[in-house]
Amino acid sequence: AQSVAQPEDQVNVAEGNPLTVKCTYSVSGNPYLFWYVQYPNRGLQFLLKYITGDNLVKGSYGFEAEFNKSQTSFHLKKPSALVSDSALYFCAVRRRNTNAGKSTFGDGTTLTVKP
Amino acid sequence: GAGVSQSPRYKVAKRGQDVALRCDPISGHVSLFWYQQALGQGPEFLTYFQNEAQLDKSGLPSDRFFAERPEGSVSTLKIQRTQQEDSAVYLCASSLDAGSQETQYFGPGTRLLVL
Repeated sequence: AQSVAQPEDQVNVAEGNPLTVKCTYSVSGNPYLFWYVQYPNRGLQFLLKYITGDNLVKGSYGFEAEFNKSQTSFHLKKPSALVSDSALYFCAVRRRNTNAGKSTFGDGTTLTVKP
Repeated sequence: GAGVSQSPRYKVAKRGQDVALRCDPISGHVSLFWYQQALGQGPEFLTYFQNEAQLDKSGLPSDRFFAERPEGSVSTLKIQRTQQEDSAVYLCASSLDAGSQETQYFGPGTRLLVL
């Protein structure tokens, strides 16, 4: 079985400040990890993924995430938040080495960036 | 071509009616996924196709749910005798190839409301 926890329903930051959206996971074996963003009435947009290699992954719109195997975490970060970053963020996990892409998602974290 | 498209975007059904939801994946994408997203929750896996073969339908909640992808392109998710608990956003995603490391690209979803 695989699961994802996003412990914060809501994250509030001021524009220009760094932001972190937390994600921890549980999966048998090594994981593939993903972050998506969802704007109102739109589908999920891919931000970044960890497959292998460097634990720090850089993605779209200046976002990055760090894979930490010992803490089973994959927190999303951005050095300087923008008001336009306000949205719903989802972390997802998949099992490695399967010929499928069944994703398990967290329940999402609403990020609000205030001017 | 363009991204994943879904139709209709909104569907209101009376309890007991049958509904059909359509997904047009990105052209050439081998894999296609259906997810169900209840209000305030992350997407939950329903089923997965590799070309026309339905390789995993473990997430379908009951035998009232049926999905097909007869020519390996467009897919239809059918819900028979709809119930109020079927109200949700149904998301379709596609990926270029098989394999759990592939990025899934999501459509805008179909919001189903069962009255």
